This record gives sequence, structure tokens and C-alpha cells, in this order.
Amino acid sequence: DIQMTQSPSSLSASVGDRVTITCRASQSISNYLNWYQQEPGKAPKVLIFAASSLQSGVPSRFSGSGSGTDFTLTISSLQPEDFGTYYCQQSYSAPPWTFGQGTKVEIK
Amino acid sequence: QVQLVESGGGLVKPGGSLRLSCTVSGFTFGDYYMSWIRQAPGKGLEWVSYISTTSSTKKYADSVKGRFTISRDNAENSLFLQMDSLRAEDTAVYYCARNPPSWGYGDYWGQGTPVTVSS
Repeated sequence: DIQMTQSPSSLSASVGDRVTITCRASQSISNYLNWYQQEPGKAPKVLIFAASSLQSGVPSRFSGSGSGTDFTLTISSLQPEDFGTYYCQQSYSAPPWTFGQGTKVEIK
Repeated sequence: QVQLVESGGGLVKPGGSLRLSCTVSGFTFGDYYMSWIRQAPGKGLEWVSYISTTSSTKKYADSVKGRFTISRDNAENSLFLQMDSLRAEDTAVYYCARNPPSWGYGDYWGQGTPVTVSS
């Protein structure tokens, strides 16, 4: 199975800050990497698919980059509604598609 | 608009069975792969299973292989997950999700249905 490792596990940042979350795969997954945001008690929402493609309706302050094993999700200017837990997910190889352990983002 | 609604969750004893359903609307169901993903209390996301458009391909996580069966009825716009030999570690909220072609991600998700396995 392909293991996905996110860092950091949690972070606290102020409104307007630039926030970066990284995700590393245990083997190359090309660009089969997707990012989700999950607010407490809600279903996850996809932000980025195919490593860098912005899902329709997602604000442009979200961006993704990377290929192979190392990937990054960047929020260019953190907004109050960006709190929650962020997950990366590889869809290169199944079974199983695997998720990272999550990064909890808190607003200072 | 696209909607996915799960049902069928509940409390079941270890070794028991449940059948989850996901009824969809707002898109052509037969054009999309579909997945089940679960989230144990306070834990992260775990992909459980996916099924291709014609049901010819079905994949399962090792943790559920041989116990869970995914199926779909394209005429009824419905996705199913038959869960047998349930264990305490299967306790989770179960989400269904639509998978756009080629990329294996969930672009629309249901609200989830909780499953509790306990004696």
C-alpha cells in the first residue's frame, strides 16, 4: 500500500497568513494527488485534484503543486472560513486509495 | 443540483450485518464510478471501496475485503454497501462519494450515515 504522510499535524495561523501543508507519498504517484477540507461534523470537500487543478467553485487562494512523491497545498491568505482538517489522498493505486492522516488548521 | 443521500446506518452487534444505501440525483449516475469512505470517531478518512460504472470493477480496502460488498443499480440511481461480519473497528460514519472519470477523487459527497458496532 502507498502511505501518505502529511506535515504538520496541526497549525495555528492568523487571518491573512500564507499557510503551507505538505504531503509525501511512500512511492511515486505521478500527479494522482487530491486535497480535501473537512469542517467538524461535515463531509469532506475537494479543493484540488490532479495535484494542481482547482475544483470548480473553490476560491483561488487555494493552490496545489508537486509531482512524484512530494506535494504542497498552499492557502495564500488564510480566511476565517478556512478552519478545519485538511487531507491529501492518492488515487494512483488501488486498492486502496489512501489518505494522509490530516492537518488541523486553527485560526488564531 | 447534485445530491447524494446515505441511509441504512445504525447500531448492530458484532458479527451482524447492515446494508447501506446511497441515493443520488442531479446527474447521470451511470456515468460515474462511486466510492464508500468511512471515518471512525475522532479519526481520519479511510477509503473503503469503489465500483465502476457498469459494476465490472470493484475494489476494496484490505480491512473490509471478504466482509463488505459494493453494488449499484443504475436504473434506480442507487449505490449500496452490504456489510457482513461486522466488528467494533467498523464503527464509523460512512460516506458515499461520486468519482469523476480518470482521477479517483470524490467531487460530491453525501452527509454520511453512522454505523455503530457494539454489544
